[in-house]
Amino acid sequence: EIVLTQSPGTLSVSPGERVTLSCRASQNIRSNTLAWYQQKPGQAPRLVIFDGSTRATGIPDRFSGSGSGTEFTLTISSLEPEDCAIFYCQQYGASPRTFGPGTKVEIK
Amino acid sequence: LQLEEWGAALVEPSGTLSLTCAVSHMSLSGYHWSWLRQTPGQRLEWLGDVSSGGNTAYNPSLRSRLTISIDTSKSQFSLRLTSLTAADAAVYFCARAGYSGFFFDFWDKGTPLTVSS
Repeated sequence: EIVLTQSPGTLSVSPGERVTLSCRASQNIRSNTLAWYQQKPGQAPRLVIFDGSTRATGIPDRFSGSGSGTEFTLTISSLEPEDCAIFYCQQYGASPRTFGPGTKVEIK
Repeated sequence: LQLEEWGAALVEPSGTLSLTCAVSHMSLSGYHWSWLRQTPGQRLEWLGDVSSGGNTAYNPSLRSRLTISIDTSKSQFSLRLTSLTAADAAVYFCARAGYSGFFFDFWDKGTPLTVSS
């Protein structure tokens, strides 16, 4: 099973700042089969990025994904207040599909 | 696309959880349909998938207790999880796996499960 680790656990950021979230895998993730989700309280997760760097439908271009192998990054170029949430990474290149523990992004 | 889930919210220990997810405004064909859960500690766990043709894949940690099925005539897919313990208490989600990979692009709002006598 591929174990995903996310850092930091919590990030306090001012509006307009750049945010960088990290997702590290215990094994190589083939073909960039890595997704990112945003979850707000009381809601289901929402797909943000798939295939490592492809934005999902309706996701603003301030969100971008990058990385390969075992190291992946989600970047928010300029944080908006509505972006505050828990962000999870998920790998789907190997079964079982697994999720990271999440990074909470909050407004400073 | 709309996903609507229903089933028991309270099940006794050693009991069986049955959930059904109805898919509206699109065909089930060509996609995989998934069940996931989120623990009280906010951890997300993939449980298993079923294809529109009925092929299944399960998380090995649950394989002996889990059955996922699909009824394309009713546009529904279902989960059955047996021998419940307190560790199975979570919010259960049904979701669609993406066309090009097993990421999850549509989710229902989730159903919380309590395991208690």
